[in-house]
Amino acid sequence: EVQLVESGGDLVKPGGSLRLSCAASGFTFSNAWMSWVRQAPGKGLEWVGRIKSKIDGGTTDYAAPVKGRFTISRGDSENTLYLQMNSLKTEDTALYYCSTDSGLLGFDYWGQGTLVTVSS
Amino acid sequence: NFMLTQPHSVSESPGKTVTISCTGSSGSITSNYVQWYQHRPGSAPTTVIYEDSQRPSGVPDRFSGSIDSTSNSASLTISGLKTEDEADYYCQSYDNSNVVFGGGTKVTVL
Repeated sequence: EVQLVESGGDLVKPGGSLRLSCAASGFTFSNAWMSWVRQAPGKGLEWVGRIKSKIDGGTTDYAAPVKGRFTISRGDSENTLYLQMNSLKTEDTALYYCSTDSGLLGFDYWGQGTLVTVSS
Repeated sequence: NFMLTQPHSVSESPGKTVTISCTGSSGSITSNYVQWYQHRPGSAPTTVIYEDSQRPSGVPDRFSGSIDSTSNSASLTISGLKTEDEADYYCQSYDNSNVVFGGGTKVTVL
């Protein structure tokens, strides 16, 4: 059974940093493309970014609102996806989901999300 | 930038049919596949349609997806509405390699 478990969400001040983790199991993590998707309170789903598998180059893509501030990485030996968030803004407040990314065929599996609140 | 526009909400009685539209802002919606996700409060999103019209295993055939190139739109139809179908539904596609979500449609089963 595929499981994705996010952690690391917290209350942080504007300008601060936070690192989220997503522990994966039930599939071959090293072969998977992975994405982060967020949902701000009362808003819709918003894609944050993705990382490809190392065999496909391991490259990353980011949505415009987070480019240059957020970094996605992966630890294939520990089956974990990471999201390093720097220079956080109040508008980054959201529930952050990790998901498996099928390239151009959407997202197959999702975690339950971890809450990030950016507030002074 | 490519955007997907959905109605904010739709409502219908149990047993009836609802159709949710997802209209592309530019280019052709047929350039990339469209997916549809069901999102209930407190739960993770789940896929109900992928590749425009394919249903994952376990999704009832009451859910169907289609593409209309003349209106540059995708549609999700839910027939035989059940109370358990009450949720937010999002269409999703791509702009080059970047992911685009529609704004979401709240389906209320009266």
